[in-house]
Amino acid sequence: GAVVSQHPSRVICKSGTSVKIECRSLDFQATTMFWYRQFPKQSLMLMATSNEGSKATYEQGVEKDKFLINHASLTLSTLTVTSAHPEDSSFYICSARNLDGSYNEQFFGPGTRLTVL
Amino acid sequence: GENVEQHPSTLSVQEGDSAVIKCTYSDSASNYFPWYKQELGKGPQLIIDIRSNVGEKKDQRIAVTLNKTAKHFSLHITETQPEDSAVYFCAASIRNTGNQFYFGTGTSLTVIP
Repeated sequence: GAVVSQHPSRVICKSGTSVKIECRSLDFQATTMFWYRQFPKQSLMLMATSNEGSKATYEQGVEKDKFLINHASLTLSTLTVTSAHPEDSSFYICSARNLDGSYNEQFFGPGTRLTVL
Repeated sequence: GENVEQHPSTLSVQEGDSAVIKCTYSDSASNYFPWYKQELGKGPQLIIDIRSNVGEKKDQRIAVTLNKTAKHFSLHITETQPEDSAVYFCAASIRNTGNQFYFGTGTSLTVIP
């Protein structure tokens, strides 16, 4: 199957700093990437949909100025958590839609564990 | 919008027994239903999916059934093994659109050796 990578896998930062998370589709082109947030023992919560070359679409309640998303190419999207606070600590997961897929497959990255001290 | 419900939230089975997880959806336009397995600290992995033009799909020990009329679909795992222990998520989507996936709340499956 298609491979999606995320970097870093784990990050610890101080309150007030910014953190950038990269999501890459390694062996396919993805016009659309999705960013999710997952709290312990909960389902995935969609934060935003990222389309290559255009502005991201944010879900209701997600601050676009706090969670900056850039989808500069068909294989890379980045999520920057600006001025992070302890309540931003979570598991962030990206997924990518396969451009060549005949249907709506989404392939997920391994996730990034963010801990804000 | 679409609403996906998933049951049970937790499931324990003896090794070798079968496990069944059920999901219902609300939007009759949904036509693509993937199932994901998520192990602790990892991202979800697609294990099987089904489109609305078929009623059942099987891949070795895993099968998925779909009832469009009743708007429900189920994941069946036979001959369970300890390595099947994980959280399983169902999802519903509209194929070939930019629409998002709507996920169920997850089922934590424990296979007891």
